[in-house]
Amino acid sequence: ETGVTQTPRHLVMGMTNKKSLKCEQHLGHNAMYWYKQSAKKPLELMFVYNFKEQTENNSVPSRFSPECPNSSHLFLHLHTLQPEDSALYLCASSPQRGVPIEQYFGPGTRLTVT
Amino acid sequence: RKEVEQDPGPFNVPEGATVAFNCTYSNSASQSFFWYRQDCRKEPKLLMSVYSSGNEDGRFTAQLNRASQYISLLIRDSKLSDSATYLCVVNAERQLTFGSGTQLTVLP
Repeated sequence: ETGVTQTPRHLVMGMTNKKSLKCEQHLGHNAMYWYKQSAKKPLELMFVYNFKEQTENNSVPSRFSPECPNSSHLFLHLHTLQPEDSALYLCASSPQRGVPIEQYFGPGTRLTVT
Repeated sequence: RKEVEQDPGPFNVPEGATVAFNCTYSNSASQSFFWYRQDCRKEPKLLMSVYSSGNEDGRFTAQLNRASQYISLLIRDSKLSDSATYLCVVNAERQLTFGSGTQLTVLP
């Protein structure tokens, strides 16, 4: 049903592991976003890509590394995470960055760091 | 001060009730406004945009007061399926800013 897919849906990793989250959108959009949602907190914007170029990095620690090989795919590479990084990571897309139109979200990856 | 502030609730209302949520935002340069709905352990989905003149979509009515920097959502004749968290979202400086959400439970 959703035009934005994310894999894996659930991930448990140790602090020394390296893993990657994948997002794919089938909507023909040009902007893609990574958000973090922790319990009882608002969504926090992490990264923005517009036409494959990173346009924002909201002071995200370097243990999170995004990659956008094309307008349809977005990755979030994770390494040496901390337990406080456990959260729901949501990918979203929109036709273009900056246009005041809604964003479409993927189902998210629920990450637990042990 | 939070950029987008909402009463977290929870709001527990009986089926058929009318319930209203409020939201305030701090950035006076905000340009567009939305209400999203997020079901438990699911992604946020757009419920409706909020226009200056106010707008209605079935049982849902959204209002915007730019002078007071205030947005509201009214749900009439609540259904069990309306149970969710409602997120107030503001677009300012080309970025969406989300409130923490207001939790609604509609009881049978």
